[in-house]
Amino acid sequence: AQKVTQAQTEISVVEKEDVTLDCVYETRDTTYYLFWYKQPPSGELVFLIRRNSFDEQNEISGRYSWNFQKSTSSFNFTITASQVVDSAVYFCALNDYKLSFGAGTTVTVRA
Amino acid sequence: EPEVTQTPSHQVTQMGQEVILRCVPISNHLYFYWYRQILGQKVEFLVSFYNNEISEKSEIFDDQFSVERPDGSNFTLKIRSTKLEDSAMYFCASLAFFGQGTRLTVV
Repeated sequence: AQKVTQAQTEISVVEKEDVTLDCVYETRDTTYYLFWYKQPPSGELVFLIRRNSFDEQNEISGRYSWNFQKSTSSFNFTITASQVVDSAVYFCALNDYKLSFGAGTTVTVRA
Repeated sequence: EPEVTQTPSHQVTQMGQEVILRCVPISNHLYFYWYRQILGQKVEFLVSFYNNEISEKSEIFDDQFSVERPDGSNFTLKIRSTKLEDSAMYFCASLAFFGQGTRLTVV
């Protein structure tokens, strides 16, 4: 069975601080995809990144970076120099023809 | 950039009524999905649809629910005899790309 765990329920930071969101997953598949989504207060799910299980290279996109470690089944997400607009719920998800989501981490960035 | 479009954005319905949620997925995608998110909870898989038929469904997707692709472009989720606990955000997805959601409120 697929399982995604986001242990952090809520994180609150002051603007310009870095914030790291943890994601740990379980799967028996050798080929899989991992995702991060942002859900702002307006409610939509915004795709941030997809990473396949064979690509452990870390990725940076602007202020966002992702650290995929297959050995520990983790796919962590860091927001550098956080801004108020980063306030949202962030979901990690695992794909095996459908997405299994973690419970989400609510990030609040205070000015 | 291609996108998934859902209508309506909000729907309020009386308990016991039927609702149809509509989605226009990304045209060249083959897999479509419906997910549900009860307020404050995580996103849950309902059903996947491939080649004009259901490929997988969750235990949530019981006889109250049905999906169809009536005209080759639209993808609908029908909920019969709605209950209060059906109140949620319903998302349509093409592969990993989500529509903006339909917020269903059953009163």
